[in-house]
Amino acid sequence: DTEVTQTPKHLVMGMTNKKSLKCEQHMGHRAMYWYKQKAKKPPELMFVYSYEKLSINESVPSRFSPECPNSSLLNLHLHALQPEDSALYLCASSKYASGGIDEQFFGPGTRLTVL
Amino acid sequence: DAKTTQPTSMDCAEGRAANLPCNHSTISGNEYVYWYRQIHSQGPQYIIHGLKNNETNEMASLIITEDRKSSTLILPHATLRDTAVYYCIVIGGMRFGAGTRLTVKP
Repeated sequence: DTEVTQTPKHLVMGMTNKKSLKCEQHMGHRAMYWYKQKAKKPPELMFVYSYEKLSINESVPSRFSPECPNSSLLNLHLHALQPEDSALYLCASSKYASGGIDEQFFGPGTRLTVL
Repeated sequence: DAKTTQPTSMDCAEGRAANLPCNHSTISGNEYVYWYRQIHSQGPQYIIHGLKNNETNEMASLIITEDRKSSTLILPHATLRDTAVYYCIVIGGMRFGAGTRLTVKP
């Protein structure tokens, strides 16, 4: 199994809602990543988990809360988002810890719309 | 952190080689050059990476200059399915620049 899966594919939420994005990989990778991508822009790194511990937080607002319950699963909890947070949220994994010399495998993303 | 500069867009004729340049003049000695591409509405896909030697795999070739200040990704026989945004990345392969939108035309 060489894929990263993300659920849901699409999510519409109000500014007062709480929702979660889920990412899963079964490749035995030890680093997992969250990116945010606005239309016609490159992906922006948000968080990096290395061996299930948060190793990089790119000054992301606290309304985004990542969680790595185990080595295969990565969640992104969303609360009190703003319309400008609408974007494609991409998850990725790599075999080695962050900064390692290996490729990242990306999921298809969750298209989030905040009303 | 090293930054990258790429042309905003390029066209290539189907069947011809596509040569995508990238400048990374502030790259440090231990930073690798990574290339990814993103086809519309999909997650990015890894293509290739290298440190200082030229590299080749089933998708592409990567030519890195001797001073490591620039590199070129070569798609030897471009097809319509190669139309995508191509990203050249240093800094541990995690932080994307603006990329080059490659359009392969029939």
